[in-house]
Amino acid sequence: GENVEQHPSTLSVQEGDSAVIKCTYSDSASNYFPWYKQELGKRPQLIIDIRSNVGEKKDQRIAVTLNKTAKHFSLHITETQPEDSAVYFCAASMKTSYDKVIFGPGTSLSVIP
Amino acid sequence: DGGITQSPKYLFRKEGQNVTLSCEQNLNHDAMYWYRQDPGQGLRLIYYSQIVNDFQKGDIAEGYSVSREKKESFPLTVTSAQKNPTAFYLCASSSPGTNQPQHFGDGTRLSIL
Repeated sequence: GENVEQHPSTLSVQEGDSAVIKCTYSDSASNYFPWYKQELGKRPQLIIDIRSNVGEKKDQRIAVTLNKTAKHFSLHITETQPEDSAVYFCAASMKTSYDKVIFGPGTSLSVIP
Repeated sequence: DGGITQSPKYLFRKEGQNVTLSCEQNLNHDAMYWYRQDPGQGLRLIYYSQIVNDFQKGDIAEGYSVSREKKESFPLTVTSAQKNPTAFYLCASSSPGTNQPQHFGDGTRLSIL
């Protein structure tokens, strides 16, 4: 069935190091892949998204890569800062009658000062 | 996004009681969604609405009901039939068109007394 897997479930990095979160999806027709950041007790906020017609997108310290053949996509955060600490969710669109996205289970990122 | 307002922030339900969670948006979005978030899990879709006076069940609709009488409003009722209602509930909306990002409210945390 429709599924998005996400790894790792928890990640700790030293401030200034890079963090990488990986996701895989099951629906080969998926063509939209957003990433959300959720701080404790707050709303998820879109931080970057990518569509299937591109393989990589970058926004300052954040980048996302997409491999449609392998059906996986990754979030890369460089020069991590303590304020990057949060739960990150990947998601993939599903081809239905509406704009449905399936969310991964989340990665809890801790950046250690 | 300040354009989506959920209330209340915290809600307690007694056994056998129905409770209603409010979601209002001023983003002029056609589509609205309700998600349930449990610890360690991603967001699961309860109901969605693409247009006023129309809504559809998501993946976990049992024990919930919604209405969409106005474009701006999409209230969720957690009925007594929902035996495990304790969770964080998130409302989202998106603009028309394929693969538009969803914008979330601040959420309502529902607990059982």
